[in-house]
Amino acid sequence: EAGVVQSPRYKIIEKKQPVAFWCNPISGHNTLYWYRQNLGQGPELLIRYENEEAVDDSQLPKDRFSAERLKGVDSTLKIQPAELGDSAVYLCASSERDIQFFGPGTRLTVL
Amino acid sequence: AQSVAQPEDQVNVAEGNPLTVKCTYSVSGNPYLFWYVQYPNRGLQFLLKYITGDNLVKGSYGFEAEFNKSQTSFHLKKPSALVSDSALYFCAVRDPFSGYSTLTFGKGTMLLVSP
Repeated sequence: EAGVVQSPRYKIIEKKQPVAFWCNPISGHNTLYWYRQNLGQGPELLIRYENEEAVDDSQLPKDRFSAERLKGVDSTLKIQPAELGDSAVYLCASSERDIQFFGPGTRLTVL
Repeated sequence: AQSVAQPEDQVNVAEGNPLTVKCTYSVSGNPYLFWYVQYPNRGLQFLLKYITGDNLVKGSYGFEAEFNKSQTSFHLKKPSALVSDSALYFCAVRDPFSGYSTLTFGKGTMLLVSP
C-alpha cells in the first residue's frame, strides 16, 4: 500500500514569490492534515480536513496561506507571497482512527 | 490547552544498553498519547499509542512506553538499543474530550546510539 505522497520534496524560492505543495493521502483516509515543522521543533498543525471540509484552520495564516482539498482526496497548500520566515518543512498526513501517517515532507527555503 | 514537554534535546546510549526518552504532558482530561520517530529526510513514523487500559504499551521495533497518570508522563523505553535506533523521537498528546482535536507534538529528542 502506498503511503502519503508529497511533491515537490525540495523547493527554493525568493521572498515574495508564490509556492504550492501537493499531497496525496493514503487511499480511504478521510482526514488530511498539513503541518509546518521548523528546525529543531515538532510539527505544528496548519489545517485539518475531514473529506473536503476544513474543520480546523485556526493556525493557518490566512493572509498569505491557503489550502484546498477538492473532491476530498488530494490537497494543495499555497503560500503567496512567501516570506523568509516561511522556510520550514511542510508535512502532510492522513489518518485512520487515531494514527496519523506522514508523508516525507517538502523542505521550503525562502531566500 | 494541551502541551507536551520533552526535557532532553539529546539522549546518548551505547548499543546493547537500555534507553529511555522522557515525555511529560498536560491535558485537562484523560490523554491519548503517542510516540513517533523521524529519520533524516523522512516523515514521522508511528511507533505506539496509549488510549486506555494497560499502562505499559508495546510498539514497533521493540519499543515500549509506560503511562504514569500521577506523574503525567509517558516515557519511551527499549531494553537493548541498536545503532539503527538513532533518530529523532517525538511525543504527542491529544485531549479527546475537547472535541476531535489534533495532536500537539513535543519539540523532539535526538537519540544517538553508539556502537
